[in-house]
Amino acid sequence: GEDVEQSLFLSVREGDSSVINCTYTDSSSTYLYWYKQEPGAGLQLLTYIFSNMDMKQDQRLTVLLNKKDKHLSLRIADTQTGDSAIYFCAESPLQTGANNLFFGTGTRLTVIP
Amino acid sequence: DAGVTQSPTHLIKTRGQQVTLRCSPKSGHDTVSWYQQALGQGPQFIFQYYEEEERQRGNFPDRFSGHQFPNYSSELNVNALLLGDSALYLCASSLQGVNTEAFFGQGTRLTVV
Repeated sequence: GEDVEQSLFLSVREGDSSVINCTYTDSSSTYLYWYKQEPGAGLQLLTYIFSNMDMKQDQRLTVLLNKKDKHLSLRIADTQTGDSAIYFCAESPLQTGANNLFFGTGTRLTVIP
Repeated sequence: DAGVTQSPTHLIKTRGQQVTLRCSPKSGHDTVSWYQQALGQGPQFIFQYYEEEERQRGNFPDRFSGHQFPNYSSELNVNALLLGDSALYLCASSLQGVNTEAFFGQGTRLTVV
């Protein structure tokens, strides 16, 4: 079955870059996603990458995908205090797409002023 | 566009009772998926509705059931509530066949006492 793993915690200083890592097991995954969840809130879609891409950049966010190692990362440049949240990596299997996502346990990012 | 809306935001129920949660998808979306997010965990897929039918189901017991209406809105019903059903219940909407994006509501926080 699908399994998505993330480290639980990350602390960075304001202005530094943050790198959040994720590994997944389903080699048939078509899309991989990054969601942000602030306290008491739902999930906000940050970005996603198609499995045949290596990299995607969107303003301060850079997603890197190593399909061979099934490793996904999210880099946040110039991290701000407002970036403090839990970040979830999710994969969508080939047969289900975005309608059925498998999530990791989330990485809690703390930005130190 | 109001995005995905869920009601109620918070709910307290007694063990053994039944509960109904509601979700209105983002305008233009026809597919609704429900997720359970226990404290400190990532969301887990419960089931997906499309064309008023349950299309996919995760590893949840039959106590969890749902419905989709002709206007694409959806309900999640949980019978015989257990303490372990306490969680944040998230609804996500997407467009069937477009396997790119799922948008989440703010969730319903269910507490079973």
